[in-house]
Amino acid sequence: EADIYQTPRYLVIGTGKKITLECSQTMGHDKMYWYQQDPGMELHLIHYSYGVNSTEKGDLSSESTVSRIRTEHFPLTLESARPSHTSQYLCASSVRAGRYNEQFFGPGTRLTVL
Amino acid sequence: AQKVTQAQTEISVVEKEDVTLDCVYETRDTTYYLFWYKQPPSGELVFLIRRNSFDEQNEISGRYSWNFQKSTSSFNFTITASQVVDSAVYFCALRPTGANNLFFGTGTRLTVIP
Repeated sequence: EADIYQTPRYLVIGTGKKITLECSQTMGHDKMYWYQQDPGMELHLIHYSYGVNSTEKGDLSSESTVSRIRTEHFPLTLESARPSHTSQYLCASSVRAGRYNEQFFGPGTRLTVL
Repeated sequence: AQKVTQAQTEISVVEKEDVTLDCVYETRDTTYYLFWYKQPPSGELVFLIRRNSFDEQNEISGRYSWNFQKSTSSFNFTITASQVVDSAVYFCALRPTGANNLFFGTGTRLTVIP
């Protein structure tokens, strides 16, 4: 069973606020990912990391930033939230090696920016 | 380009009926992996199955079965004797070998009516 955690689960904030969405995994996975999912829509990759001090942007352009200082922790930060950032954000992790490299997902953070 | 199409946006069935969720994919890569995930109302994505492009053998796991046909680029998912707990959004995903992320379809919302 996957052990990947996200906090907060739900967040409602005002425009212009700085926020950090937390993601932690206890499986020792090297790879971690952030996906954005709008209601009724597919997931789009916004950031990923191969390991400590490695971060890359995904297919979908995002104004958020990420950091990977520890293997188990991959927080996502929005410096100034806007209503267009309202979405669900899902964190995932996978082993670096391995044939299938299936990703295990956290419960998600549902963000609403007023 | 990678693309996953789940043409069925929503499906409703009565409990104990069988239901098939369709997934058609497009990729120019010769090797790739296919996945199915379940997203219950709580929001997390639950990994169900993976399949690589070399293995067209169908798989059965309890009430779940998967039919992979490379000739038609399809990876369909059948639930036999559906139950209310099967109600969720189901996502099909593709990952070409060497790609960093999963390419998701738009999902199929399944509602099982008691």
